[in-house]
Amino acid sequence: GQQVMQIPQYQHVQEGEDFTTYCNSSTTLSNIQWYKQRPGGHPVFLIQLVKSGEVKKQKRLTFQFGEAKKNSSLHITATQTTDVGTYFCAGGPNAGGTSYGKLTFGQGTILTVHP
Amino acid sequence: DSGVTQTPKHLITATGQRVTLRCSPRSGDLSVYWYQQSLDQGLQFLIQYYNGEERAKGNILERFSAQQFPDLHSELNLSSLELGDSALYFCASSATLAFPGRTYEQYFGPGTRLTVT
Repeated sequence: GQQVMQIPQYQHVQEGEDFTTYCNSSTTLSNIQWYKQRPGGHPVFLIQLVKSGEVKKQKRLTFQFGEAKKNSSLHITATQTTDVGTYFCAGGPNAGGTSYGKLTFGQGTILTVHP
Repeated sequence: DSGVTQTPKHLITATGQRVTLRCSPRSGDLSVYWYQQSLDQGLQFLIQYYNGEERAKGNILERFSAQQFPDLHSELNLSSLELGDSALYFCASSATLAFPGRTYEQYFGPGTRLTVT
């Protein structure tokens, strides 16, 4: 079945440093979503990418979807302590699948920001 | 606040027991998803319902079952509980049924933390 791998598993940065997490799928994805889970909280939707090569920005966050629609990245510029949490990518099934709406989540990257 | 509610917040029970977790989706959302989150397994998709019908199944154990009721709330039943079932169980909802090649953002509830002793 579809597998989504995410690296790194952990990332410790000093406040102000940049951060990037990468997501790779074993199969072509129809789209990819990113979620953030604060410590003790629940996953919160950040963004969805649909088109090959798509790049979207949300303030200091930049999301990319690979040309082959099998990988994605999230880059945070100048991290702040409020960025602490676990970032998950989640891949949507390709058009040939029948599992409508089923997302396959990566293992997540736990980001720690030291002030 | 996502608008998705889950009860109870915490549940402590013994091995071999059966529990029911409850989820109410956001107003108007027809799709409900259940996930299990444990420390070493990340977010594992269990099952999806749309307007009362099962639509997708993940790695859900045979000891687990779910259903979605006419009022759209959903229940996840876990039976013959084992220590390894201890985890955080999330329910999520989305606005509509995705079609092939398209998924919609999911709104997660606060979760139910299950501890099996």
